[in-house]
Amino acid sequence: GAVVSQHPSWVICKSGTSVKIECRSLDFQATTMFWYRQFPKQSLMLMATSNEGSKATYEQGVEKDKFLINHASLTLSTLTVTSAHPEDSSFYICSARGGIGTDTQYFGPGTRLTVL
Amino acid sequence: GENVEQHPSTLSVQEGDSAVIKCTYSDSASNYFPWYKQELGKRPQLIIDIRSNVGEKKDQRIAVTLNKTAKHFSLHITETQPEDSAVYFCAAGLSGGYQKVTFGTGTKLQVIP
Repeated sequence: GAVVSQHPSWVICKSGTSVKIECRSLDFQATTMFWYRQFPKQSLMLMATSNEGSKATYEQGVEKDKFLINHASLTLSTLTVTSAHPEDSSFYICSARGGIGTDTQYFGPGTRLTVL
Repeated sequence: GENVEQHPSTLSVQEGDSAVIKCTYSDSASNYFPWYKQELGKRPQLIIDIRSNVGEKKDQRIAVTLNKTAKHFSLHITETQPEDSAVYFCAAGLSGGYQKVTFGTGTKLQVIP
């Protein structure tokens, strides 16, 4: 149980285009999902916390108009990178907190974004 | 906000030896301290966590200790095996609700057969 999927696993896009990444909790309801960015050989940098039915809470320095997060249901959160540029190329990984009473975060497999 | 420091950044041990990874945190309000393991090319997975109401927790070959006064916590792996090779992340934050945790910078552990 507690499986989180992420789609796509990798994407290559041209500079200026937008890319949407989906994060789904497959067998549990996730009231809270998190979006991270991970650079090579570096830690997980939290971008935003996404709560179902409300606006996401962004970390300092993360542009909310550039990284649009929508948590439309208890099993789906999306991250849209708008007007992507090469510096947005990174590994984006989501996690979902497994319901009330648990603090464990279950991570998705990540999405490798390359912006040309 | 919370700041988590993790040491060492890399660690090599012989198979069978013990490995210790240490973390410090800054926010005295933090009460939840998980440890995640990320194998190469895979997603992070929780291996053990501890809450501030206990000082030590053990699960087979892994154990975590917490010193709230000093604001540091450590991961101990005994009898290391090659499959323990991975990057380990500590984290600190608040338990429950919509709370987040802050991750440390990671420790790459290599177990030499």
